[in-house]
Amino acid sequence: KQEVTQIPAALSVPEGENLVLNCSFTDSAIYNLQWFRQDPGKGLTSLLLIQSSQREQTSGRLNASLDKSSGRSTLYIAASQPGDSATYLCAVRRGQAGTALIFGKGTTLSVSS
Amino acid sequence: GAVVSQHPSRVICKSGTSVKIECRSLDFQATTMFWYRQFPKQSLMLMATSNEGSKATYEQGVEKDKFLINHASLTLSTLTVTSAHPEDSSFYICSARDRGSLTQYFGPGTRLLVL
Repeated sequence: KQEVTQIPAALSVPEGENLVLNCSFTDSAIYNLQWFRQDPGKGLTSLLLIQSSQREQTSGRLNASLDKSSGRSTLYIAASQPGDSATYLCAVRRGQAGTALIFGKGTTLSVSS
Repeated sequence: GAVVSQHPSRVICKSGTSVKIECRSLDFQATTMFWYRQFPKQSLMLMATSNEGSKATYEQGVEKDKFLINHASLTLSTLTVTSAHPEDSSFYICSARDRGSLTQYFGPGTRLLVL
């Protein structure tokens, strides 16, 4: 059974800091991995999607890496801003395209101004 | 971009009643929809996968007679929580897979409170 773990559970940083969020998964046979953002009481916003054959994806100040063999992914946020405060969820897609995503518990980020 | 809507966004009901939550794909056809449940400070837990025109596949530990899922069309899936109890209070999120691109889009969620 695939399990996704995210460390740390919570993180507080001052504005401007660069930070790394970690995600690990137990079964390396994934189709892809996706990072989401969830604001309190809201749905999910997709940030980055990495296919199993890729090593990293970048979007603006965000960079996600994937080491499939070791079952790890990181989300790097550069020059953090208060607006980045949210819960960040890592999810892996098991098997083939179109199958369900399995989520980690998330890392709650607070960026102070 | 593709949009998935959920209705209602919030619902409060008495214990023992049934509640229906709708999930709609607004500008694409979804042959597959997924239902997730999220408890406070917990992750999204997959409840079931529904395919249009067929019975839903439930995850282990999810009672299919309690959480009725209907996916009667390519744009609508419903989740009915039958005989709801306070422990069913949660945030329910649906996700729809675009028939063409296979991209998965998430709805905004429905917060259920059972008194």
